[in-house]
Amino acid sequence: SQELEQSPQSLIVQEGKNLTINCTSSKTLYGLYWYKQKYGEGLIFLMMLQKGGEEKSHEKITAKLDEKKQQSSLHITASQPSHAGIYLCGADIGGSQGNLIFGKGTKLSVKP
Amino acid sequence: GAVVSQHPSRVICKSGTSVKIECRSLDFQATTMFWYRQFPKQSLMLMATSNEGSKATYEQGVEKDKFLINHASLTLSTLTVTSAHPEDSSFYICSARVWDRGQSSPLHFGNGTRLTVT
Repeated sequence: SQELEQSPQSLIVQEGKNLTINCTSSKTLYGLYWYKQKYGEGLIFLMMLQKGGEEKSHEKITAKLDEKKQQSSLHITASQPSHAGIYLCGADIGGSQGNLIFGKGTKLSVKP
Repeated sequence: GAVVSQHPSRVICKSGTSVKIECRSLDFQATTMFWYRQFPKQSLMLMATSNEGSKATYEQGVEKDKFLINHASLTLSTLTVTSAHPEDSSFYICSARVWDRGQSSPLHFGNGTRLTVT
């Protein structure tokens, strides 16, 4: 079955450092979505990528989708404690109902 | 915009009882709602897809008689866990979108419900 591989599983960085989270699919995606989740809470939508080579930025977070639409990266510049949480990538694999499948998430901790 | 409200946020129930979880889209009409389940340190697993006015579509391995889904209107879907058992304890989260294959839009998520069955 289609799966999303997300890496790393967890990440601890010093405040101010940059970091990258990756999300890889074995198949071409219709769309790739990045979410942030705090433990036991809902998911906050960050960014949506649809076109090969697309890149979007919001504040200090940049997400990219490769040309083949199989791999995406989320890059945080100058991390802050407020960036801490679980980052999940979700993929539209072309289901008739439009559901997303998700990676297992990356737990990010930012040390002050 | 695009707010999804889920209630309750936490519920503790005794084994054998039923629990209803509500999911509402507050400022948009959701033609499709999705119910996910999340285990600790695991990904979100799709349980079922709920379409307004029609029967829900359940994923393989999900018991439709145990997890009753009703999508009564374009803004409300409910999940009822019937005859709950301790193994049903989990984090349940709903999501909604206005689905149009011609126009992609993100799923918007509720804040989830932590169910504990004693």
